[in-house]
Amino acid sequence: QPVLTQSSSASASLGSSVKLTCTLSRGHSSYMVAWHQQQPGKAPRYLMKLEFSGNYNKGSGVPDRFSGSSSGADRYLAISNLQSDDEANYYCETWDTNTRVFGGGTNLTVL
Amino acid sequence: EVQLLESGGGLVQPGGSLRLSCAASEFTFSTYVMSWVRQAPGKGLEWVSTISDSGGRTNYADSVKGRFTISRDNSKHTLYLQMNSLRADDTAVYYCAKTADSGNYFSPTDYWGQGTLVTVSS
Repeated sequence: QPVLTQSSSASASLGSSVKLTCTLSRGHSSYMVAWHQQQPGKAPRYLMKLEFSGNYNKGSGVPDRFSGSSSGADRYLAISNLQSDDEANYYCETWDTNTRVFGGGTNLTVL
Repeated sequence: EVQLLESGGGLVQPGGSLRLSCAASEFTFSTYVMSWVRQAPGKGLEWVSTISDSGGRTNYADSVKGRFTISRDNSKHTLYLQMNSLRADDTAVYYCAKTADSGNYFSPTDYWGQGTLVTVSS
């Protein structure tokens, strides 16, 4: 089954940009992923689905500041013009015949 | 707007049972694959179980296989998780989750409930 690897933490300044990475395990590099945001004390929120090609499709109400891209087994979530409420945990998700998998999450701090 | 409202969480002793419910509204529940995902205190998201739109196909994480049962009642727009032989490491917030594409088992999660807390402790 696939495994998703994410850095545990990241930080960037208010108004700047950041790029978070989710890496698929060997043999699963063509898989689609989804990105989710979880602000402190809240339920997760779907941001987008992201294909191997780099095409992405965002959820309802997700700001234009959020975008996705891909390179090989890596799936990226980019956030521009960082705001204070972007401070959150970000999880990637993928799925297979008999399972769903989440990455360990990246805790993003906005300085 | 899609709504998913979980209920049934609470405090239960080790070895006990609990049944979670998720009431769905504002979408055609019977045509979407649904899942349960949990989050232990201070930890990340962990997939628990998924059920097909008809209920005829189910999958479970190894950590809950044989103890938990997912089911659905499409006439009541409700998803369930029966949890038996509960252990301390089952303590978590349990989220109900909807997939994005009607009838497609291989589809991302696009909506989450607000979660219900299950605490397993003596």
